[in-house]
Amino acid sequence: ELKVEQNPLFLSMQEGKNYTIYCNYSTTSDRLYWYRQDPGKSLESLFVLLSNGAVKQEGRLMASLDTKARLSTLHITAAVHDLSATYFCAVDGNTPLVFGKGTRLSVIA
Amino acid sequence: DTEVTQTPKHLVMGMTNKKSLKCEQHMGHRAMYWYKQKAKKPPELMFVYSYEKLSINESVPSRFSPECPNSSLLNLHLHALQPEDSALYLCASTREDRTTGYTFGSGTRLTVV
Repeated sequence: ELKVEQNPLFLSMQEGKNYTIYCNYSTTSDRLYWYRQDPGKSLESLFVLLSNGAVKQEGRLMASLDTKARLSTLHITAAVHDLSATYFCAVDGNTPLVFGKGTRLSVIA
Repeated sequence: DTEVTQTPKHLVMGMTNKKSLKCEQHMGHRAMYWYKQKAKKPPELMFVYSYEKLSINESVPSRFSPECPNSSLLNLHLHALQPEDSALYLCASTREDRTTGYTFGSGTRLTVV
């Protein structure tokens, strides 16, 4: 059974600081996705990572995938308040799109 | 059209009611999904339709009944729900190879009273 673990689950960051969210998964997969969710809203797709070594960047967010280590990272550079949200990683296995528990990010001044 | 459209956005129903949730996409995706998300939890898979056939049912109670009338439309029929079924119900679709990821609808916020 595919298990996906994210850490940290809660993150309070100061504006302007950098931080990394980690996503580990338990079985072989080469498809990993990152989503953002604002309170009361649906999921917004951030990144689709489809191969070992994939790196994608959008604004202050950068995601990478290491399929051998079964690890993905979401790096936040110079955080701003607008990045406050819950971030989910999700992995495709025999069961489509298994989600981690999410990281609730709060960016404070 | 790059969207998945879900209706209604909000639904309040009694435990004896019958209601339906609707999901529509016109991206040519041949796989469609229902997820359930409780507050402060990740989404959990309920059903998968592939080429209009049910391919995965994650042991969902029979009071939830999915239907895929055609390749663009997915319904979730609700009957005799319990208050604990109150949640955000999300529909998603993908290409068969999932290389462009999953596109989620805006969800239906369901409250069972």
